[in-house]
Amino acid sequence: QSVLTQPPSVSGAPGQRVTISCTGSSSNIGAGYDVHWYQQLPGTAPKLLMFGNTNRPSGVPDRFSGSKSGTSASLAITGLQAEDEADYYCQSYDSSLSGFVLFGGGTKLTVL
Amino acid sequence: QVQLQESGPGLVQPSGTLSLTCAVSGGSISSRNWWSWVRQSPGKGLEWIAEIYHSGGINYNPSLRSRVTISVDKSKNQFSLKLSSVTAADTAVYYCAREVVTTMTTFWFDPWGQGILVTVSS
Repeated sequence: QSVLTQPPSVSGAPGQRVTISCTGSSSNIGAGYDVHWYQQLPGTAPKLLMFGNTNRPSGVPDRFSGSKSGTSASLAITGLQAEDEADYYCQSYDSSLSGFVLFGGGTKLTVL
Repeated sequence: QVQLQESGPGLVQPSGTLSLTCAVSGGSISSRNWWSWVRQSPGKGLEWIAEIYHSGGINYNPSLRSRVTISVDKSKNQFSLKLSSVTAADTAVYYCAREVVTTMTTFWFDPWGQGILVTVSS
């Protein structure tokens, strides 16, 4: 079980808005450490989608946005498209002895 | 732009040692980045394994520390992973990735290699 908790799955119809949460604790997100997001399309390697909570790398559509509050972070996708169907992972730093590179368990986004 | 490519055996015997190499192209491994290995068991999430800096800094996932060795070869612009005493639980797609580090606590992985499936089986 990951220290960063994500819902196993979310779904939405084309054009809709969905959010994916990433819940941590006082030793990671709650301590103020940044959250980063990755998109993994089927059969491919993860790709950086968001860094530093709210920053999109060049080439990532502005339909994707990130936020962080307290011990949680969220990834929002508006104007959902079929090509957005993928697994999404959050990542942060953790100051506990369990290791300092943390990934969330991943969320499967299904576009209905 | 920087590209990474994993290579190594796709099949390893139980109790053996998994050895992988990540070739870096389009940039220098001696740049101001760390370099990491991440794995993904079939149908599962991502697990960070280890990271290395060109000057020798190394960090390991505590859960794998006793079995993992990461190294860098600056002359070949590549870095490597060795995982000993493997079992079926180590079957996974292994990715290498560049770590973009802005502070000691703020870093992300970009880009990633395409990944290599390593199966532990006799």
